[in-house]
Amino acid sequence: DAGITQSPRHKVTETGTPVTLRCHQTENHRYMYWYRQDPGHGLRLIHYSYGVKDTDKGEVSDGYSVSRSKTEDFLLTLESATSSQTSVYFCAISESGLVDAGELFFGEGSRLTVL
Amino acid sequence: QQQVKQSPQSLIVQKGGISIINCAYENTAFDYFPWYQQFPGKGPALLIAIRPDVSEKKEGRFTISFNKSAKQFSLHIMDSQPGDSATYFCAASMANSGYALNFGKGTSLLVTP
Repeated sequence: DAGITQSPRHKVTETGTPVTLRCHQTENHRYMYWYRQDPGHGLRLIHYSYGVKDTDKGEVSDGYSVSRSKTEDFLLTLESATSSQTSVYFCAISESGLVDAGELFFGEGSRLTVL
Repeated sequence: QQQVKQSPQSLIVQKGGISIINCAYENTAFDYFPWYQQFPGKGPALLIAIRPDVSEKKEGRFTISFNKSAKQFSLHIMDSQPGDSATYFCAASMANSGYALNFGKGTSLLVTP
């Protein structure tokens, strides 16, 4: 299994509070991604990173920010959580661009409930 | 808007039967088309993938058929087993968006004994 650790795995919070989800990898992969998964929507890209301090927006980036100060860590922050951000969040990593380009390896997910 | 459309939403197949899931895309810049399998409580995992320079790829009981002109690709699971019961996602990606995967909405497959 790819060395990806998401924390926390479960969190319940209240509307308006800040929340940070952490993704830690031990694979030294260049690319890291945050997705959210909701019933009927599949997985949707929030933000991704293509290197330290290099990030870009995905399909559903409103209300989320990210930071990557080290290769191994990619943080997803909800500045002021809303009930619509209740979801399961998945981190993924990839070394695309090399021989085995394309495969993303996913973490186990972080279930966030915003009351 | 959703860039990859997947059907059906759910599928029930008897053990030993063939499961077929279809996907369609619009963006001709996509150059990598994987299928992911997800079990409850777990993250998605790569099942099989294809690039547009081939029309078919087979790995064991799993086959991807790819039709570049129709912008469609499909997953065939031969001799379906109860252990194949999971949610399947098709996806597509391209280099100039960080190889991020654009996923279909998923197909819930149930293989009955």
